[in-house]
Amino acid sequence: SQTIHQWPATLVQPVGSPLSLECTVEGTSNPNLYWYRQAAGRGLQLLFYSVGIGQISSEVPQNLSASRPQDRQFILSSKKLLLSDSGFYLCAWSPLDRDNTEAFFGQGTRLTVV
Amino acid sequence: SQQGEEDPQALSIQEGENATMNCSYKTSINNLQWYRQNSGRGLVHLILIRSNEREKHSGRLRVTLDTSKKSSSLLITASRAADTASYFCATDAEAAGNKLTFGGGTRVLVKP
Repeated sequence: SQTIHQWPATLVQPVGSPLSLECTVEGTSNPNLYWYRQAAGRGLQLLFYSVGIGQISSEVPQNLSASRPQDRQFILSSKKLLLSDSGFYLCAWSPLDRDNTEAFFGQGTRLTVV
Repeated sequence: SQQGEEDPQALSIQEGENATMNCSYKTSINNLQWYRQNSGRGLVHLILIRSNEREKHSGRLRVTLDTSKKSSSLLITASRAADTASYFCATDAEAAGNKLTFGGGTRVLVKP
C-alpha cells in the first residue's frame, strides 16, 4: 500500500535561518507531488507542484524553493526564513492519472519562525 | 488564486441534524473532490465526482455537481460529534495542468 512520510511534525526556527522539509512517498511510482501551506483557519495555498524529477512549477512568488531529487522525494527549502513563512505545511501526492486525482496527504509540519 | 470557494465559512449544528456546505469554482474542471481535515492534521479524501457526474453517495455523504453553475454541494446526513472538522473542496482542470487546488474550507462544529 502507498504511504507518505513528512517530517518533522513541528519546527521552531529563528528568522534568517535555513529550512529543509522532506517528504517521501512509498508504494507508488511517478506520483504528482505537492507542497501546500495553510494559514491558521484558512484554506490550502498551493506552493509547488511536480509531475516528475526535476519538473517543478512554482505557484506563488515567495521565499521558498522546492526540489525533487528522486521520483518519490520532495523537499521544501529556504535559505533565509522570514516571519511570514510561519504556517502549516502539507505535502501530498496523487496518481499520474487524469481520471483519478485523489490526493494523499502527509500529517503536516507546523513551522513557527521566531 | 483559489479555484474553489466554500460557503458557509463556518457551520454549527446539533448532533443528528444534516450539514450542507457548498463550493463554487471559476473554470471548467475534470474532477471535483471533497476532503476533511481534523484540527492540526493532514487532509483525508472523502469523495471524488467527475465532471460528467451529477450526484454521488458514500455512506452518510452525498455530493452533487452542477457544472452549468460551476458549483458543488456536500451533504452530511445524521451528523455526529465526530464529524466536527473542516471540509474542503478541491478541483483539477486540464487548463491548469491538472494540479489540485483547494478552496478556503467550511469549519463544521457538531454539538452533542
